[in-house]
Amino acid sequence: GAGVSQSPSNKVTEKGKDVELRCDPISGHTALYWYRQSLGQGLEFLIYFQGNSAPDKSGLPSDRFSAERTGGSVSTLTIQRTQQEDSAVYLCASSPGTGREQYFGPGTRLTVT
Amino acid sequence: AQSVAQPEDQVNVAEGNPLTVKCTYSVSGNPYLFWYVQYPNRGLQFLLKYITGDNLVKGSYGFEAEFNKSQTSFHLKKPSALVSDSALYFCAVNKGNDYKLSFGAGTTVTVRA
Repeated sequence: GAGVSQSPSNKVTEKGKDVELRCDPISGHTALYWYRQSLGQGLEFLIYFQGNSAPDKSGLPSDRFSAERTGGSVSTLTIQRTQQEDSAVYLCASSPGTGREQYFGPGTRLTVT
Repeated sequence: AQSVAQPEDQVNVAEGNPLTVKCTYSVSGNPYLFWYVQYPNRGLQFLLKYITGDNLVKGSYGFEAEFNKSQTSFHLKKPSALVSDSALYFCAVNKGNDYKLSFGAGTTVTVRA
């Protein structure tokens, strides 16, 4: 079946602009996660959605970052007034429920110039 | 708090030789342990997991991992490495049924022909 998809695959933006990154999870997966992977570093947890519960936003690095999940499916990560340090690969993952393995999308490579 | 350590940034082996990627963890309670692999410019792929039961877990592509509670380790192994196994490997842990995975920094595996 279809895996997790993300769009765009690459995004180049100027410093100060807003960007939106999209994630389509695997159908039926109730949990959705966003991570950030900076060059040469591991994965940094950003935000977690589970069903209709309030999301865990504890990993968002600043108030410029926000995310929403509509209808329990598609999620959008928005970064306002982008900075050069926001340059990274943003990974989305979904899972059938808590404590289960996560399935990752291919990522969006964001470059802020 | 939970954490994962991958003590080796890089592992180099010759094709056909055994491959081991080390992982130690720290978590209160029973751990759920995972291994993921990331090929260049791709998202993470799930390899295997340990939740309970047999300490030796078998996964995709001929990989296996051994859970050792006394040493708090979950090392990834493959008896005979292939050049195509060259990739970045991540170990991850969460506590019981918690949703937030903690990832190690990753180990780059290079298998030479």
